[in-house]
Amino acid sequence: KAGVTQTPRYLIKTRGQQVTLSCSPISGHRSVSWYQQTPGQGLQFLFEYFSETQRNKGNFPGRFSGRQFSNSRSEMNVSTLELGDSALYLCASSSPGYGEQYFGPGTRLTVT
Amino acid sequence: KNEVEQSPQNLTAQEGEFITINCSYSVGISALHWLQQHPGGGIVSLFMLSSGKKKHGRLIATINIQEKHSSLHITASHPRDSAVYICAVLGPPSNTGKLIFGQGTTLQVKP
Repeated sequence: KAGVTQTPRYLIKTRGQQVTLSCSPISGHRSVSWYQQTPGQGLQFLFEYFSETQRNKGNFPGRFSGRQFSNSRSEMNVSTLELGDSALYLCASSSPGYGEQYFGPGTRLTVT
Repeated sequence: KNEVEQSPQNLTAQEGEFITINCSYSVGISALHWLQQHPGGGIVSLFMLSSGKKKHGRLIATINIQEKHSSLHITASHPRDSAVYICAVLGPPSNTGKLIFGQGTTLQVKP
């Protein structure tokens, strides 16, 4: 089985721009969670999608949004980028009812 | 106070040593993950456990639900074990994907 894939792997954006990151889960996995990792705050939960519905949301401003498609692929969007949004964004997928999460390689976003 | 606390934050060991990393949490959980992150960012799930003990090769993870504490042990450590080890808890109900993370323990194993 192919693992979780994330695209792009690296991204450089300018303050004020918006960005869309993509995550393709392991085949058969319907839950996708997104996390942000920064040196200062460590790993923090952004949101989780299951069957195209946001099931859980972390404590992030409304500039961070996401969605999930019928094939379980997920995207997250950050609008009006700030310097503090520079981070590694990780997604993870899990099969229903099991809970173990499988992480993608991450997208490293740099905001200048 | 963080909901998930790990100790130590940094650990240096000589090859062959027995290593223990501790994790304490203050919230109700349905399961606990031990994760490994190498330089470059990729995260691998080592264990998910909700009770007792699990073993995989030289790695052993234990959890005490009553004491809200878990440990990760590495026997016969090797330089390739050098990585950041992260404890993360999954809050109930168990079918939601919200992990709460500890700060991580940076392990360096010297040859």
